[in-house]
Amino acid sequence: DQQVKQNSPSLSVQEGRISILNCDYTNSMFDYFLWYKKYPAEGPTFLISISSIKDKNEDGRFTVFLNKSAKHLSLHIVPSQPGDSAVYFCAASAIEGYGGSQGNLIFGKGTKLSVKP
Amino acid sequence: DSGVTQTPKHLITATGQRVTLRCSPRSGDLSVYWYQQSLDQGLQFLIQYYNGEERAKGNILERFSAQQFPDLHSELNLSSLELGDSALYFCASSGGLARHNEQFFGPGTRLTVL
Repeated sequence: DQQVKQNSPSLSVQEGRISILNCDYTNSMFDYFLWYKKYPAEGPTFLISISSIKDKNEDGRFTVFLNKSAKHLSLHIVPSQPGDSAVYFCAASAIEGYGGSQGNLIFGKGTKLSVKP
Repeated sequence: DSGVTQTPKHLITATGQRVTLRCSPRSGDLSVYWYQQSLDQGLQFLIQYYNGEERAKGNILERFSAQQFPDLHSELNLSSLELGDSALYFCASSGGLARHNEQFFGPGTRLTVL
């Protein structure tokens, strides 16, 4: 049973427009959320995170929104650039005592973003 | 470059065999994590070590084992390999135990079991 779901396997966006990647989770114990970006033949790289005490976190062109009541988070990229084309993974973490320890990340399956020039 | 190195990059072997994947964490990082990414799957957490001690276990099969050595490098041992073990195996490292410590991922080892 997937605890972190990214229901869109792929997304195509025009350069300069907004990209919105969505993520849903089922476990109410999750209180820390992250987005990772992955290029082919490379490992994932950390992009942005948000704690459950916030509903928004912004870093340059990247903004993550968290809706705890809906158990939903989204990553907004504005404006989208061709270099943003990659697979984006949503991940969640629970407080210690669940899943073994702190630092245990539960990942979604990823969404492949294509930004067209 | 994340500073995490993994060897080998690719590994092709047969069912029933045993392989060892190696990971060197970023300089100074004490925590090492292993993940498996099968086809069309997200990254599945396997196991975490901190300063040589096992810290947490995820969905790791009994045929798999890992260890972290005094120099902090880690090895993931996969035995009695099955076709379904074909996957990308990632190692990540972080500076400590806190959940908010960013995990830095290596480039992965692609294992193909024939």
